[in-house]
Amino acid sequence: GNSVTQMEGPVTLSEEAFLTINCTYTATGYPSLFWYVQYPGEGLQLLLKATKADDKGSNKGFEATYRKETTSFHLEKGSVQVSDSAVYFCALSDQETSGSRLTFGEGTQLTVNP
Amino acid sequence: ETGVTQSPTHLIKTRGQQVTLRCSSQSGHNTVSWYQQALGQGPQFIFQYYREEENGRGNFPPRFSGLQFPNYSSELNVNALELDDSALYLCDSSPGTNREQYFGPGTRLTVT
Repeated sequence: GNSVTQMEGPVTLSEEAFLTINCTYTATGYPSLFWYVQYPGEGLQLLLKATKADDKGSNKGFEATYRKETTSFHLEKGSVQVSDSAVYFCALSDQETSGSRLTFGEGTQLTVNP
Repeated sequence: ETGVTQSPTHLIKTRGQQVTLRCSSQSGHNTVSWYQQALGQGPQFIFQYYREEENGRGNFPPRFSGLQFPNYSSELNVNALELDDSALYLCDSSPGTNREQYFGPGTRLTVT
């Protein structure tokens, strides 16, 4: 079946530090990959996505590249801000095997200190 | 703002009771999915409805059931509540089964 594995958290950084959150996946088809962000007390917001190998998704300074050879979709940001503090979820959807349902990782709590 | 609303925001129920959670989607969004997010974990897929018919189900028992209505609203019903049903319940809607999805803010259910 499909699965997503995220790096264990939580992650604590100082403002303007470089961020990497690792994500690897297992899928039987050709999935689309996503990063969602969840702020305290809120639902999920789509941060970025990539639908095929070598695509790069980007939004609000965050980037992730779909690497089929390593089955990875690591999230990066060059300079984090306090407002980036949230929980980040890597997810996939595999149209061939499971339609548009999303399979999520466990989430990574990011705290950015001033 | 995704245009997807959920009610109620918070709910406290007793073990053994039944609960109905509601989701209102954007006009034209004929696909709705429900997810359960336990504390500290990622969301888990419960089921999906497409044009008022169930269109896939995750690893949840039959006491989790749903409905989708022609006015783009939907319900998640849970019977015989258990303590482990305490979670944030999220719905997401889409204009099609392979189109971008929009999540609501969730309903926080506590079972005591």
